[in-house]
Amino acid sequence: DAGITQSPRHKVTETGTPVTLRCHQTENHRYMYWYRQDPGHGLRLIHYSYGVKDTDKGEVSDGYSVSRSKTEDFLLTLESATSSQTSVYFCAISESTPGAGPQHFGDGTRLSIL
Amino acid sequence: AQSVTQLDSQVPVFEEAPVELRCNYSSSVSVYLFWYVQYPNQGLQLLLKYLSGSTLVKGINGFEAEFNKSQTSFHLRKPSVHISDTAEYFCAVSEGAGNMLTFGGGTRLMVKP
Repeated sequence: DAGITQSPRHKVTETGTPVTLRCHQTENHRYMYWYRQDPGHGLRLIHYSYGVKDTDKGEVSDGYSVSRSKTEDFLLTLESATSSQTSVYFCAISESTPGAGPQHFGDGTRLSIL
Repeated sequence: AQSVTQLDSQVPVFEEAPVELRCNYSSSVSVYLFWYVQYPNQGLQLLLKYLSGSTLVKGINGFEAEFNKSQTSFHLRKPSVHISDTAEYFCAVSEGAGNMLTFGGGTRLMVKP
């Protein structure tokens, strides 16, 4: 299995609190992605990174920020969590161009905001 | 803008029967097409992808898909399913190397004994 680890795997928190999710890879892949998965919507891209300190917005980036200070780590932050951000979050990685598709996904973080 | 429609949210089928999961896309340019599978409590795994060349694409676990440009479809097929194929399947499209994927809403395949 590809070396991609998400932490935490589960989190429950309250509205208005900050939350940070971590994605760690051991594959040395250039591209990293954060998606959220909601019933009926498939996966929607939040942010992605194409290198250290190089990030860009995806389809549903409002309310989220990211950082990538090392090749292996990609952090997703909810500055002030809202109930609409309750979801399952997936990190993905790829070594080729984005259009060729993410090659490996993490097992997800289930985030509940009360 | 690209979009993907998976026509069936759930597909029940008996074990050893054939199955087809339907996917239609909307795009004004050439596309790359993908199928991913998600087992319970896991991330997605790439089943197969079409980037160019032969329109019939073979993937893992005995699945295949056919790209039909005139019908803008990329249906997934398997001639004989197993209980272990029970999962959610996602179709996705991108409009080229520098573009992100857009995912469909998913189809839950339920294989019954």
